[in-house]
Amino acid sequence: KAGVTQTPRYLIKTRGQQVTLSCSPISGHRSVSWYQQTPGQGLQFLFEYFSETQRNKGNFPGRFSGRQFSNSRSEMNVSTLELGDSALYLCASSSAGGNTIYFGEGSWLTVV
Amino acid sequence: GESVGLHLPTLSVQEGDNSIINCAYSNSASDYFIWYKQESGKGPQFIIDIRSNMDKRQGQRVTVLLNKTVKHLSLQIAATQPGDSAVYFCAENMEGAQKLVFGQGTRLTINP
Repeated sequence: KAGVTQTPRYLIKTRGQQVTLSCSPISGHRSVSWYQQTPGQGLQFLFEYFSETQRNKGNFPGRFSGRQFSNSRSEMNVSTLELGDSALYLCASSSAGGNTIYFGEGSWLTVV
Repeated sequence: GESVGLHLPTLSVQEGDNSIINCAYSNSASDYFIWYKQESGKGPQFIIDIRSNMDKRQGQRVTVLLNKTVKHLSLQIAATQPGDSAVYFCAENMEGAQKLVFGQGTRLTINP
């Protein structure tokens, strides 16, 4: 059974640009959540989607958004990139009602 | 509150010894706790979890202890091996919710 798959693995963007990251959850998992990991702030929850609806949202500005498709795949978007957005963005999935949350390998975003 | 420039605690152990990694959690309403292992350049890997109605759970070479009175969680790794070198994170969650709150992490280093 394939794990959580994230693309791209690495990317470099310029300040002011926008970026879209993609996530394919474990087969059968309907909950997808996103986290940001930085050396300064650690791992922080961004948002969570279930059945194409955002159920939970962390404390991030509106520049950070996401969506989920009918096949449970998810994307997150960051607009008007800032240097401080450089981070590892992690996607995680879990089954409906399940507690165990599995992570992908992440997308490394560098903003220059 | 926010942390600026997280200082990652470090634990160094001799190969073959037992390791104990500690974590204090913040929300007394949390009822589900998970330990993750993160190797360099990779996403967090699920190790073991425990519900709040338990105080101990054992896995393969790992044991998690939960003390709800003092909001403390620990991970014990028996017969530590070089492959155990990583950063270990505890995370807390509400049952059924998909919104993990992570601790700052502990870097485990194995001495030969």
